[in-house]
Amino acid sequence: GAGVSQTPSNKVTEKGKYVELRCDPISGHTALYWYRQSLGQGPEFLIYFQGTGAADDSGLPNDRFFAVRPEGSVSTLKIQRTERGDSAVYLCASSLAGADTQYFGPGTRLTVL
Amino acid sequence: AQSVTQPDIHITVSEGASLELRCNYSYGATPYLFWYVQSPGQGLQLLLKYFSGDTLVQGIKGFEAEFKRSQSSFNLRKPSVHWSDAAEYFCAVGEAGNNRKLIWGLGTSLAVNP
Repeated sequence: GAGVSQTPSNKVTEKGKYVELRCDPISGHTALYWYRQSLGQGPEFLIYFQGTGAADDSGLPNDRFFAVRPEGSVSTLKIQRTERGDSAVYLCASSLAGADTQYFGPGTRLTVL
Repeated sequence: AQSVTQPDIHITVSEGASLELRCNYSYGATPYLFWYVQSPGQGLQLLLKYFSGDTLVQGIKGFEAEFKRSQSSFNLRKPSVHWSDAAEYFCAVGEAGNNRKLIWGLGTSLAVNP
């Protein structure tokens, strides 16, 4: 079946602009996660959804970052007033409720000029 | 706080040689442990995981890993490396019962010489 998909695959924006990154989880997966991976680093947890609600948003770096999942499926990560330090690959993963294996999408590479 | 250390940033092996990638973790209780592989342009793919039970776990692509509680380690092994194994390998740890938030190592980049 289809895996986790993320759009766009690449996003280039200017400092101060607003961006939205989209994640389509595997069908039937109720848990969804966002991670950020900077160059030469491992992924860094941002936020976890169970259904429509954010069960853990402790990894969001500041209030410029926000994520939604209004219908319990597709999720959007929103970044306001982007900064050059936001440049990274943003990874999305999903898992079955109660299961422990996270399946990852290919990521969105965000570049802030 | 939980942490994961992958001491080797880069490893080069010859095709057919054996491989061991090291992973050490810091965590107060029994963690859930994972190894993922990331190839260029590909998403992270789960190789294997340990939750409980037999401390030697088998994964995909001929990989295995052994959980050693006394050493806080979860090293990844493969007896004979193939050129297609060249990739970035990540070790990750999750809290037992709450593995939603995974903590990751910095990764080990594996190159395979023909």
